[in-house]
Amino acid sequence: QAVVTQEPSVTVSPGGTVTLTCGSSIGAVTSGHHSYWFQQKSGQAPRTLIYATSNKHSWTPARFSGSLLGGKAALTLSGAQPEDEADYYCLLSYSGTGVFGGGTKLTVL
Amino acid sequence: QVQLQESGPGLVKPSETLSLTCNISGGYISGSISEYEWIWMRQPPGKGLEWIGYISFTGSTNYNPSLKSRVTISVVTSKNQISLMLSSVTAADTAVYYCARGSSVDSWGQGTLVTVSS
Repeated sequence: QAVVTQEPSVTVSPGGTVTLTCGSSIGAVTSGHHSYWFQQKSGQAPRTLIYATSNKHSWTPARFSGSLLGGKAALTLSGAQPEDEADYYCLLSYSGTGVFGGGTKLTVL
Repeated sequence: QVQLQESGPGLVKPSETLSLTCNISGGYISGSISEYEWIWMRQPPGKGLEWIGYISFTGSTNYNPSLKSRVTISVVTSKNQISLMLSSVTAADTAVYYCARGSSVDSWGQGTLVTVSS
């Protein structure tokens, strides 16, 4: 089974821009992996920010965007806000079987 | 707006079968069950998320290979429920279990904690 890797922790300054990445142990991440990004705040259920690489839900703040970057899935946050401090998980689909990354703890400081 | 609510025993003994349901309410219920895929995920205390599997709108299933021999996901259309069964549980199966809807994962339940302990 593939291993999906994320940065364990990242810090961004308020108003700053940061990119979180999601890599696959068995090659480049492509649109075929239908990458997802989830945000989970302390004590809460996750919520979906991005699906199918770059699609947003109606509740996804405009400052979040998803893409493919250098063979990885990427979540870019432009103009970080204090409320963006959370754990972020990516999910890749391998022919219908999902594999989560270990998550990135984002600190806004 | 569809709402998902996981329910089931909060405590299960080792070697027994964990059985959870995801109750679906709100929105267009009868269409919702048969028009979407339904996903189960879990999160051990203090750890990351794990994908358990899903059932598609056609009724086909796909499971995490590491759990495949022990897991069954099914739809109970008459009760607007999605079922998860996990057999031969151990302490490693202690987690918050979540259900979610659709290939866009547009709705999540709040999760239910299941502890495996004698």
